[in-house]
Amino acid sequence: GAGVSQSPSNKVTEKGKDVELRCDPISGHTALYWYRQRLGQGLEFLIYFQGNSAPDKSGLPSDRFSAERTGESVSTLTIQRTQQEDSAVYLCASSFMGGQRIPYEQYFGPGTRLTVT
Amino acid sequence: AQSVTQLDSHVSVSEGTPVLLRCNYSSSYSPSLFWYVQHPNKGLQLLLKYTSAATLVKGINGFEAEFKKSETSFHLTKPSAHMSDAAEYFCVVSERDMRFGAGTRLTVKP
Repeated sequence: GAGVSQSPSNKVTEKGKDVELRCDPISGHTALYWYRQRLGQGLEFLIYFQGNSAPDKSGLPSDRFSAERTGESVSTLTIQRTQQEDSAVYLCASSFMGGQRIPYEQYFGPGTRLTVT
Repeated sequence: AQSVTQLDSHVSVSEGTPVLLRCNYSSSYSPSLFWYVQHPNKGLQLLLKYTSAATLVKGINGFEAEFKKSETSFHLTKPSAHMSDAAEYFCVVSERDMRFGAGTRLTVKP
């Protein structure tokens, strides 16, 4: 079946502009995650959605970052007034959530490579 | 809250020799643990997962990991490295959400 998809695959923007990144999770996956991966570094957790619960926004680096998810479907990550340090690959993942809120493995999208000039 | 520490940022082995990538975790509950691999310019792929069943977990490509609660460790091993194993490896701990380690870059020398 279809995996996690993200769009655009690449985005080049000027400093100060807003960008919106999109993630389509696997159908039926109730949990959705956003991560940031800077060049040569590990994954940095940004935000987590689980069903209709309030999202865990503890990883968002500043108030310029926000994310939304409609039900258990598409999510958008918005970065306002982009800065050069926002340049990174932004990865989305989705998973089932099992009993006792134990997550199953995550399935990752291909990522969006954001370059802020 | 949970956290994970990958003890080596870079590991280099010769082809045909054993691989050991070390991971220690911290969790308030009984966590789920995962190892993911990321090949250059490719997406993340699940290698294996531990979810409170057998403590020795076998994954794809000959990798396995052993959950040791007393040591709070979940080290990844492979008996014999192959050139194609060269990649970045991430240890992940999960309670409610999932937290990634900083990664270990595995280099395999011919």
